[in-house]
Amino acid sequence: GAGVSQTPSNKVTEKGKYVELRCDPISGHTALYWYRQSLGQGPEFLIYFQGTGAADDSGLPNDRFFAVRPEGSVSTLKIQRTERGDSAVYLCASSLMSGGGNEQFFGPGTRLTVL
Amino acid sequence: GQNIDQPTEMTATEGAIVQINCTYQTSGFNGLFWYQQHAGEAPTFLSYNVLDGLEEKGRFSSFLSRSKGYSYLLLKELQMKDSASYLCAVNAGKSTFGDGTTLTVKP
Repeated sequence: GAGVSQTPSNKVTEKGKYVELRCDPISGHTALYWYRQSLGQGPEFLIYFQGTGAADDSGLPNDRFFAVRPEGSVSTLKIQRTERGDSAVYLCASSLMSGGGNEQFFGPGTRLTVL
Repeated sequence: GQNIDQPTEMTATEGAIVQINCTYQTSGFNGLFWYQQHAGEAPTFLSYNVLDGLEEKGRFSSFLSRSKGYSYLLLKELQMKDSASYLCAVNAGKSTFGDGTTLTVKP
């Protein structure tokens, strides 16, 4: 069956530009998570959705970052006025439900490079 | 706040046993996960503990002590393909990951 997919796989942009990163979760998974990972570090939590609503967005670093999941399936992470420090691999994961023992299935990630 | 500590690197020999420790201090606890991440790839699930004790799953076992804020991942009969980063993550609604332990298995 299809796993979590993310597009694009790589994105190179210039400082100050706007980018959108897309995540397609596993069908039927109600919880969706966004993380970013820098080299040598673990995934850093950004936001998670339970259904269409953001259940916890405490990890978004500032108001340049925003994420939506309008129909409870596909999610888009939006970054405005990108900065060089935003360069990282952005990982999306989904699980059947949030919390407890629900295993998160990760997508391959989008490598974002801000020049 | 959330704080998760793991050793940065470990080295072991093919066929041996290795134990990777994780200590955590978190506000809230719904369970602890271990993930494996090969270089350049996404993390994949290994194990989950919510109650104290040992969970065994083939060559991999994971232990949890909630009172001590401590877990370990035990890998037996090491194979070269086990060379990877091992991530400890605490779930409390959201999941907080440690920075991972890079395990190198040598012949």
